[in-house]
Amino acid sequence: EVQLVESGGGLVQPGRSLKLSCVASGFTFSNYGMNWIRQAPGKGLEWVAYISSGSSYIYYAETVKGRFTISRDNAKNTLYLQMTSLRSEDTALYYCARQDNYFDYWGQGVMVTVSS
Amino acid sequence: DIQMTQSPSLLSASVGDRVTLNCKASQNIYKNLAWYQQKLGEAPKLLIYNANSLQTGIPSRFSGSGSGTDFTLTISSLQPEDVATYFCQQYYSGLTFGSGTKLEIK
Repeated sequence: EVQLVESGGGLVQPGRSLKLSCVASGFTFSNYGMNWIRQAPGKGLEWVAYISSGSSYIYYAETVKGRFTISRDNAKNTLYLQMTSLRSEDTALYYCARQDNYFDYWGQGVMVTVSS
Repeated sequence: DIQMTQSPSLLSASVGDRVTLNCKASQNIYKNLAWYQQKLGEAPKLLIYNANSLQTGIPSRFSGSGSGTDFTLTISSLQPEDVATYFCQQYYSGLTFGSGTKLEIK
């Protein structure tokens, strides 16, 4: 069974940093591109970042470019999102999701709240 | 950037009804479109990809159609468990979602 489990969220002050993790199981992690997608409270979905299976290709949404860094460790079956210079508008539930173009499996999400 | 517009934003229908949800792209995306179902408090679930391909394990009452700029998700016979918000997503250029259609039972 495919499972994606996010962790690392919490309450953080504006301007500070936070690192999210997503541990994958039930499939060959190193064969798949992975994404972070977020959803602000009561709002729609926003794609945040993508990393290819071997980390050769990385893309970001304009809203996070230069502040967020996506990475992965295929030996540990883990996806990461390093978030810096956090803003109130980054407050959201962050999901990791599998696949390159559309997203066939999603984690349950981890909440990030940016507030003083 | 490609914008995705969903209509209606709220849809109320009766159990057993045939329900149609719409998604319009701001430019031609061919068939590079997916549909997701998100129930309250849950992660989104992939229903349809490539505009009309049913994801494994999804009931056959769900179907997708369209190409170019206009797309439709149809539920042939609405069930109580279909209450959810439905999102479309294009992957022709970048990755963008529509704002969603909330489906409720009348």
